[in-house]
Amino acid sequence: EVQLVESGGGLVQPGRSLRLSCAASRFTFDDYAMHWVRQAPGKGLEWVSNISWNSSTIVYADSVKGRFTISRDNAKNSLYLQMNSLRVEDTALYYCAKVGSIGSPGAFDIWGQGTMVTVSS
Amino acid sequence: AIRITQSPSSLSASTGDRVTITCRASQGISSYLAWYQQKPGKAPKLLIYAASTLHSGVPSRFSGSGSGTDFTLTISCLQSEDFATYYCQQYYSYPRTFGGGTKVEIK
Repeated sequence: EVQLVESGGGLVQPGRSLRLSCAASRFTFDDYAMHWVRQAPGKGLEWVSNISWNSSTIVYADSVKGRFTISRDNAKNSLYLQMNSLRVEDTALYYCAKVGSIGSPGAFDIWGQGTMVTVSS
Repeated sequence: AIRITQSPSSLSASTGDRVTITCRASQGISSYLAWYQQKPGKAPKLLIYAASTLHSGVPSRFSGSGSGTDFTLTISCLQSEDFATYYCQQYYSYPRTFGGGTKVEIK
């Protein structure tokens, strides 16, 4: 079964850093663009960032630009999100998601179970 | 950024009902629209992409229509397992944006 498993979430103070990971399995990871999407408690979905299959294209939401860095290691079938200067409003469940198509814009056909990030003093 | 307005934000329905949810984009997005279903404590699941293409394994009672700026998700005969929150999303341009969600509750 195609699977994405996030890890690295936790409780962190405002201004500190956290690195999320997403391990992919049972699909050709380096064929697909990947995204991070977050969901604050009781709220809707918010897109965070995207990285193309070869890391040549990276895009961020304005809310995280300059603070978050997305990356991937295709040899390890892994996606990452380095989160710096965290704010209370970054508190959310963070999902990684796989694009359903190769080489063109696509919907997110596979999602991980999410990892919770809580930013609080 | 393209704004997606989803309505209604919630609805109450009974098993067997026909349910319709709409999304309107602030500018044309061709058919680059997806629909997701999310149940409490679970990750979203893809239902429909390219506005009207059913994702693998999704029951045929789900259907999508529309292009440009106006889109619709229809559940033809609501089942107990369909009570959930539904989101639309555009993937025409960055930033990717989601509708605010529609919570489908039991009447």
